[in-house]
Amino acid sequence: EAGVAQSPRYKIIEKRQSVAFWCNPISGHATLYWYQQILGQGPKLLIQFQNNGVVDDSQLPKDRFSAERLKGVDSTLKIQPAKLEDSAVYLCASSLERGTFIRDGYTFGSGTRLTVV
Amino acid sequence: GIQVEQSPPDLILQEGANSTLRCNFSDSVNNLQWFHQNPWGQLINLFYIPSGTKQNGRLSATTVATERYSLLYISSSQTTDSGVYFCAVDRWGQNFVFGPGTRLSVLP
Repeated sequence: EAGVAQSPRYKIIEKRQSVAFWCNPISGHATLYWYQQILGQGPKLLIQFQNNGVVDDSQLPKDRFSAERLKGVDSTLKIQPAKLEDSAVYLCASSLERGTFIRDGYTFGSGTRLTVV
Repeated sequence: GIQVEQSPPDLILQEGANSTLRCNFSDSVNNLQWFHQNPWGQLINLFYIPSGTKQNGRLSATTVATERYSLLYISSSQTTDSGVYFCAVDRWGQNFVFGPGTRLSVLP
């Protein structure tokens, strides 16, 4: 079974530029999550999709971050404009449906490491 | 929201040693999960353990839900055990909250 695919693997941009990350979840997984992991911290949930609808985006900085999941499969996370404090690893995860990790096959991708200079 | 603490923040072991990692949480939880994040950043499920004890090879975990803590035991540690160990919890109707992690370094 293929895992959660993310691209790019690394990205370096200047502050005030825009950037986009892509995630392809495991086939058949209805729920998709984007996490932000700042160096030295645990992952923090940014947004959760159930199919193509947003379930939870309470921690998404909506003035600069946006995300979409067209057709309920792939998802894109965008930052515009980027700030220095956005430097982090952006992780995508998917699960069969909202629920616990193992029972629903919750799986993380390898992440995109963003550096804002 | 629920608070998750982990201790110790850093741990250095010689290969072959045993260790215990602790996760405390501030309120009752529906689910608790232990993850290992390897040096390449990949998060790997270790245990789903909202209560009770589980073992998988050299790793075992115990959660005492009534006292709001979980322990992860690593026996006969190997260099491949190095990385960061996270516990994550969720409450009914809420999303997952990760602890700050324990960074483990196993020296050859």
